[in-house]
Amino acid sequence: EPEVTQTPSHQVTQMGQEVILRCVPISNHLYFYWYRQILGQKVEFLVSFYNNEISEKSEIFDDQFSVERPDGSNFTLKIRSTKLEDSAMYFCASSVLARGHYGYTFGSGTRLTVV
Amino acid sequence: SQKIEQNSEALNIQEGKTATLTCNYTNYSPAYLQWYRQDPGRGPVFLLLIRENEKEKRKERLKVTFDTTLKQSLFHITASQPADSATYLCALDLRTGRRALTFGSGTRLQVQP
Repeated sequence: EPEVTQTPSHQVTQMGQEVILRCVPISNHLYFYWYRQILGQKVEFLVSFYNNEISEKSEIFDDQFSVERPDGSNFTLKIRSTKLEDSAMYFCASSVLARGHYGYTFGSGTRLTVV
Repeated sequence: SQKIEQNSEALNIQEGKTATLTCNYTNYSPAYLQWYRQDPGRGPVFLLLIRENEKEKRKERLKVTFDTTLKQSLFHITASQPADSATYLCALDLRTGRRALTFGSGTRLQVQP
């Protein structure tokens, strides 16, 4: 069964530092997403990416966030200057189509702790 | 305001019984509704999708219904097993507006042996 792979599984960083979360989506999927889940809360949409550009983003995805697909396989989320409230599980997901027919395949997540 | 509501209390049932989880939404017009399972510390896992023009969908022990008039989906697990214990999330795939999935907060299911 194809998987979405995320690294690292855990990251601890100091407030104000930059972090890069990495994801390898499923190879024949065309749409890529980042979601986050603060402990005990719902899974929240951050950004979607298609055809090498952002297709939509939420109000959470402000100027401190950026995404990139640097080499055709990896998909990264960068947080430029982390804040305490960025502590959460970050999930990467991919899908074959933008909507319908198939669900999303999620990775196991990166637990980000900002201290 | 727009809301997706799932049973906030945990659902405890005995092994072998049918678990029924509810997803209600307001001020959304979903084209599709999806159900996911999430285990602690893991990412959501896709289970089932139902379209707005479908009333019911089944997959093995799982059944989903979708009533766009009531703005509600019901998710059933028949012959439940302790291994079914997890949090179940409903997610809306909207006809207009945001194209990425919008998730409810989930219902935790505990199946007692």
